[in-house]
Amino acid sequence: KQEVTQIPAALSVPEGENLVLNCSFTDSAIYNLQWFRQDPGKGLTSLLLIQSSQREQTSGRLNASLDKSSGRSTLYIAASQPGDSATYLCAVRPYAGGTSYGKLTFGQGTILTVHP
Amino acid sequence: DADVTQTPRNRITKTGKRIMLECSQTKGHDRMYWYRQDPGLGLRLIYYSFDVKDINKGEISDGYSVSRQAQAKFSLSLESAIPNQTALYFCATSDFGTNTDTQYFGPGTRLTVL
Repeated sequence: KQEVTQIPAALSVPEGENLVLNCSFTDSAIYNLQWFRQDPGKGLTSLLLIQSSQREQTSGRLNASLDKSSGRSTLYIAASQPGDSATYLCAVRPYAGGTSYGKLTFGQGTILTVHP
Repeated sequence: DADVTQTPRNRITKTGKRIMLECSQTKGHDRMYWYRQDPGLGLRLIYYSFDVKDINKGEISDGYSVSRQAQAKFSLSLESAIPNQTALYFCATSDFGTNTDTQYFGPGTRLTVL
């Protein structure tokens, strides 16, 4: 059974800092890995998706890397801003046929607070 | 208008009551999902549907049932609600036709069972 763990559970940083959020998974047979952002009282917004054949994806100040063999992904946020404050979740999709395809397994999330 | 909508957004009910949560999407996606989120546990999959005639149990389906009334509608029912079903419930959709099958989430329904 796939297990996804995110470290740290919470992080508080001053504005302007570069920071790294970590995600690890136990089964390396994944199709892709996705990072989401969740704001209080709202749904999830997809930030970046990395296919299993890719090493990283970038969007603006965000960079996500994937090391499938070691079961790890990192989300790097450059020059953090108060508006980045949210919960960040990673989720993996298994690489298998049949009914397991499409099912996401989520980590518990990292609560990020960026203070001015 | 939001692509994935959920109703109600908040609901308080009593133990033993039957509750239905509804999800509608305008994205034209064939796949739909129901998750619940509990503090410290992330999101867990309850049920998923790959098309109107294909419904599958997720990892925590006990105590829940679903109905895919149309491609755009997927409802989650709690036949007899119990307090440990208090959680934030999310509906999501995805398009099998894309090579990423990215999931898009609704705003969530906060359910409290007293």
